[in-house]
Amino acid sequence: EVQLVESGGGLIQPGGSLRLSCAASGFTVSSNYMSWVRQAPGKGLEWVSVIYSGGSTYYADSVKGRFTISRDNSKNTLYLQMNSLRAEDTAVYYCARDVVGYSYGLGYWGQGTLVTVSS
Amino acid sequence: QSALTQPASVSGSPGQSITISCTGTSSDVGSYNLVSWYQQHPGKAPKLMIYEVSKRPSGVSNRFSGSKSGNTASLTISGLQAEDEADYYCCSYAGSSTPVVFGGGTKLTVL
Repeated sequence: EVQLVESGGGLIQPGGSLRLSCAASGFTVSSNYMSWVRQAPGKGLEWVSVIYSGGSTYYADSVKGRFTISRDNSKNTLYLQMNSLRAEDTAVYYCARDVVGYSYGLGYWGQGTLVTVSS
Repeated sequence: QSALTQPASVSGSPGQSITISCTGTSSDVGSYNLVSWYQQHPGKAPKLMIYEVSKRPSGVSNRFSGSKSGNTASLTISGLQAEDEADYYCCSYAGSSTPVVFGGGTKLTVL
């Protein structure tokens, strides 16, 4: 059974850094493209970043240069390193996996982890 | 990359059919058959309902169907049920530089 479990969220001051983790089970992270999607309180879904099986990474303009997506194949875990955090980064962050290779249909989602950026 | 355009809200009575539109551009919806739709109930993670324009994942009711014409994709829900009341988001592949764009979301109310 495919499972995704995010962790690492919390309250952080503006300008601070946080690393989110997404522990995967039931499949191999490095064999799929994995995404981070966020949702600000009361707002819609916003795509944040993707890492492809080959290792290529892409980011939304709103986080480019501040966030870094990565994975640890030995731990079967996806990460999102978030630096220079801003109030507008406050959101629930979800990790997600495609339902079938490169369909860009995110068929598996974690429960989300809340990041609050506030002084 | 601009968000895809969805109506803010739609409504329908039980048993009726509704359609939610999702308008993009020739750089995203119009160029790729990689449109997906998500259902989200309050406080829950999104659930994939449609991918690659019209494919349903295993376990999704056949009351949900998707289509595309030009730069606009559509999600149709037939035989509306109370449990269909939720927020719905469309999503499209948008090319290699910024691969994914979401719509702003549509709140479906079952009257």
